[in-house]
Amino acid sequence: VQLVESGGAVVQPGGSLRLSCAASGFTFSSYGMHWVRQAPGKGLEWVALIRHGGNNIFYADSVKGRFTISRDDSKNTLYLQMTSLRPEDTAVYFCAKDLIAVAIDSWGQGTLVTVSS
Amino acid sequence: EIVLTQSPGALSLSPGERATLSCRASQSVTSSYLAWYQQRPGQSPRLLIFGASSRAPGIPDRFSGSGSGTDFTLTVTRLEPEDFAVYFCQHYGSSPEITFGGGTKVETK
Repeated sequence: VQLVESGGAVVQPGGSLRLSCAASGFTFSSYGMHWVRQAPGKGLEWVALIRHGGNNIFYADSVKGRFTISRDDSKNTLYLQMTSLRPEDTAVYFCAKDLIAVAIDSWGQGTLVTVSS
Repeated sequence: EIVLTQSPGALSLSPGERATLSCRASQSVTSSYLAWYQQRPGQSPRLLIFGASSRAPGIPDRFSGSGSGTDFTLTVTRLEPEDFAVYFCQHYGSSPEITFGGGTKVETK
């Protein structure tokens, strides 16, 4: 399993950004996928989940209405569209693979998003 | 929302010693949905234990998980140098409601 995130950048408060995660080594379309973030020096915070098929989508309350998770199974790619970004969204964002709705069994290396003026 | 409280916040031990990490849930959870992760400095998290006590593929048998209800434990029987890291517990709830504990750092004495 390989998960490679990209798209992290420095963005101003109120701005937007789209993260991508290229997946390989497994049948991407068969698995749910997560975004999990980690603020500098802090713990892990789950952000969003999209189940296989793409019809069941869930968000943490902290990002609901501002972030959109999506997937393109033809490209084996997961996305996170982030809008109305706030300084507290500053974090490393990890793409991660779901383990049959009980845990997260594979993680990417992460991409850093910094929200600052 | 279920809150997971990990203790201690940090643990100072020597290689070869036993590490016992605690994760307490604010309400009873189903063991099937309790997992543990290891995060070494500068690396991504790695799944160690799922279902409270099942080791993930490739995880050495010195790592074990136990517990039920509100109290769960991760034990490392003999610490190897590569085991000095931060450990997180996680609950994968329905809805889903996925929460992590604050972490326990296992550091070298």
